[in-house]
Formats: sequence, structure tokens, C-alpha cells
Amino acid sequence: SQTIHQWPATLVQPVGSPLSLECTVEGTSNPNLYWYRQAAGRGLQLLFYSVGIGQISSEVPQNLSASRPQDRQFILSSKKLLLSDSGFYLCAWSRGGSTGELFFGEGSRLTVL
Amino acid sequence: GESVGLHLPTLSVQEGDNSIINCAYSNSASDYFIWYKQESGKGPQFIIDIRSNMDKRQGQRVTVLLNKTVKHLSLQIAATQPGDSAVYFCAENDNDYKLSFGAGTTVTVRA
Repeated sequence: SQTIHQWPATLVQPVGSPLSLECTVEGTSNPNLYWYRQAAGRGLQLLFYSVGIGQISSEVPQNLSASRPQDRQFILSSKKLLLSDSGFYLCAWSRGGSTGELFFGEGSRLTVL
Repeated sequence: GESVGLHLPTLSVQEGDNSIINCAYSNSASDYFIWYKQESGKGPQFIIDIRSNMDKRQGQRVTVLLNKTVKHLSLQIAATQPGDSAVYFCAENDNDYKLSFGAGTTVTVRA
């Protein structure tokens, strides 16, 4: 069976510090990978998606970046966090080829102080 | 902006009653729709999906209805239980790789 892991689950960081959230998928190959952000009481905003190693599509301009160094690994990064980066970050995957059901991780709650 | 939205942000329902959650979408080219349930502090979980060549699909205690004429999607939950309390999101596939999500409806089940 397929599983998705993301970490850390919670993170408190000062403004201007770097960020690295990691996500790995097991039990499948060549998945589509996604990073979403969810502000408190709001819907899910797509930040990045990837259909293959090294292929990253960005949906919104921001100070975040994403990388996919391996087939089942997706990393969300920032060199300098802003207060507005606070939120609940969700990694997700879907079967490669086309969009179907998205399978979400448990999320990472980031608080920037 | 979001292409998928919800008619009501909150819904309070008596335990045992049926719940209906509504969603409007704007992209007439969307061909795939999903309902997700998100409990507090957790990632969204798949409930049910429907493709545009159908207008109704049933699962266990849940039914999704799709009206392409008015671009409306609904989720019906039969015999709502306390465990159904959560935020419910509709999502549409507006291109090959992406799902766009609505803002969510918070469902609260009264005992």
C-alpha cells in the first residue's frame, strides 16, 4: 500500500530564518507531487506541483521554493521566512499521468514569529 | 482567485438527520470532482468522487450529485453522526495535474 510522510509536524521559526519541509511517498513510482498551504479557516492553496524529478511548477509568486531531488521526495524551502508564511502546509500525491484522487499527508504547521 | 466555492461556510445538523453540503464551480471544462473531509489538525481525506459523465454517485452513507447545467455539486450525508463533524471541501480538476479547492464548509453535528 502507498503511504505519504511529511515532517516536521510542527515548526516555530523566527522571521528571516530558513525553512525546509520534507515529504516522501512510499509504495508507488513516478507520482505527481504537490505542496498546498492552508491559512486558518481557509481553503487549500496550491503552491507547487511536480510531475517528475527536477520538474517543478509554481502556482503563486512567493519566497518559497520546491525541489524534487528523487522520484518520491518533495521538499519545500525558504531562505528567509516572512510572517505571512505561517500556515498549515500539506504535501500530497496522485498517480502519475493525470489528475485523480489526491492523497494528503498529515500536514506541517508552521508558525513564524 | 478560487474557481470553486461553497454556498455556506457552516452547517449545523442534528445527529441522525441528513446533511447536504453545496458547492458551485465556475470552470465548465472541469471533468472530475472530489469531496474531501478534513478533521482538525489533519490532512484532508477522500470521501467520494464523480466524473462529468455522471450526475450521481453513491458511497457508504454519502451521495454526490453533479448538475453540469448550473455548475453545482452537492454532497449528501445520510444519518449524520458525531464523527462526521469536520470541514468539507469540494475540488475540481481544471487541468491535467491540478485540483482547485473551495473554501470549505464546517459541519457541526449536534447530539
